[in-house]
Amino acid sequence: GAGVSQSPSNKVTEKGKDVELRCDPISGHTALYWYRQSLGQGLEFLIYFQGNSAPDKSGLPSDRFSAERTGGSVSTLTIQRTQQEDSAVYLCASSRTGTNTDTQYFGPGTRLTVL
Amino acid sequence: QKEVEQDPGPLSVPEGAIVSLNCTYSNSAFQYFMWYRQYSRKGPELLMYTYSSGNKEDGRFTAQVDKSSKYISLFIRDSQPSDSATYLCAMSAGTGRRALTFGSGTRLQVQP
Repeated sequence: GAGVSQSPSNKVTEKGKDVELRCDPISGHTALYWYRQSLGQGLEFLIYFQGNSAPDKSGLPSDRFSAERTGGSVSTLTIQRTQQEDSAVYLCASSRTGTNTDTQYFGPGTRLTVL
Repeated sequence: QKEVEQDPGPLSVPEGAIVSLNCTYSNSAFQYFMWYRQYSRKGPELLMYTYSSGNKEDGRFTAQVDKSSKYISLFIRDSQPSDSATYLCAMSAGTGRRALTFGSGTRLQVQP
């Protein structure tokens, strides 16, 4: 059916506030990824889920960033005490099984602006 | 130095031109190579996927990988205004880590 969806599409917040970003992967996809795209930069990997577990969290930039996935489906990325350098587009992707030959399908992203 | 280098452009060409986009990389473990296209305010979409060295053709698009030079290319023939987008190369090592490593993207503008 539908592709990867993300909400909200835009989020403006004040420095120091917490934000939650949501990702709905393609139905049946077991692998889910979060990436961050800053202005003029390529995508930077944040975290990878296989089912509900996260075997690779190596891209999370600080302990202010966390993510969870429930029911093997929806994922939430939480940023606590936001800083201006957190402003970026946060992209979610899913793939069918998570192998290296699997295509990663991306959502439209959430554009986060921290004032 | 970044693992994957890509000229940011912008690259402006007339309609019908052949476009050449490329990336260089430093990690010799990379085995899977992809090109994504990203329109403004949209998520990237996969255009081409190549495993190891060699060429792959799909319609107007040809992807080339030269592992000995750590260099990959995407050629677009008969470019169209609808090809105007940012093109991102991406790659992965294929062992353990599932995340893709992306170049910074090249912005392409095809003038009608």
